[in-house]
Amino acid sequence: KAGVTQTPRYLIKTRGQQVTLSCSPISGHRSVSWYQQTPGQGLQFLFEYFSETQRNKGNFPGRFSGRQFSNSRSEMNVSTLELGDSALYLCASSGLAGVSEQYFGPGTRLTVT
Amino acid sequence: AQSVTQPDIHITVSEGASLELRCNYSYGATPYLFWYVQSPGQGLQLLLKYFSGDTLVQGIKGFEAEFKRSQSSFNLRKPSVHWSDAAEYFCAVGPRDGNEKLTFGTGTRLTIIP
Repeated sequence: KAGVTQTPRYLIKTRGQQVTLSCSPISGHRSVSWYQQTPGQGLQFLFEYFSETQRNKGNFPGRFSGRQFSNSRSEMNVSTLELGDSALYLCASSGLAGVSEQYFGPGTRLTVT
Repeated sequence: AQSVTQPDIHITVSEGASLELRCNYSYGATPYLFWYVQSPGQGLQLLLKYFSGDTLVQGIKGFEAEFKRSQSSFNLRKPSVHWSDAAEYFCAVGPRDGNEKLTFGTGTRLTIIP
């Protein structure tokens, strides 16, 4: 079974631009969660989607948004990029067992210049 | 609010020596407990998890962790480290209510010296 895949793996954007990151969960998994990892703040929960609905949201500004498609693939979007948005963005997918069966992808490294 | 504390930012051990990484949590009730490992530029790999039952949990790569309710701790151990164990280790807690959100500690970076 293929693992969680994230595209692109690396991205360089300029301040003020927007960016879209993609996550394909493990086949059969319907929940996708997104995390931001920075040296200063560590790993922080962004949001979680299940069956195309956002079920949970972390404490991030509205510039961070996401969605999930009927095939469970998820995208997250960051608008009006700031230098502080430079981070590793990780997505994780979960099966029926929920957080007890959560697997992470390799991440997308976003650099904002 | 829930929190996870990993008091050691960086630990250096000799290859072949034993290892213990500390983790303490603050939570309303006993959560699910996890240890993840992250190699540079990579995602998170699950080492082991505790849900219930035996408080000594075995994981992959020869790691084990012990849950101590009285101390709200979930320390990770390995009897003999290998150079390939050099990485960053994260302790995390997750709720038992179906919520998918994991709360992570700040991580412990492990360096192995020959």
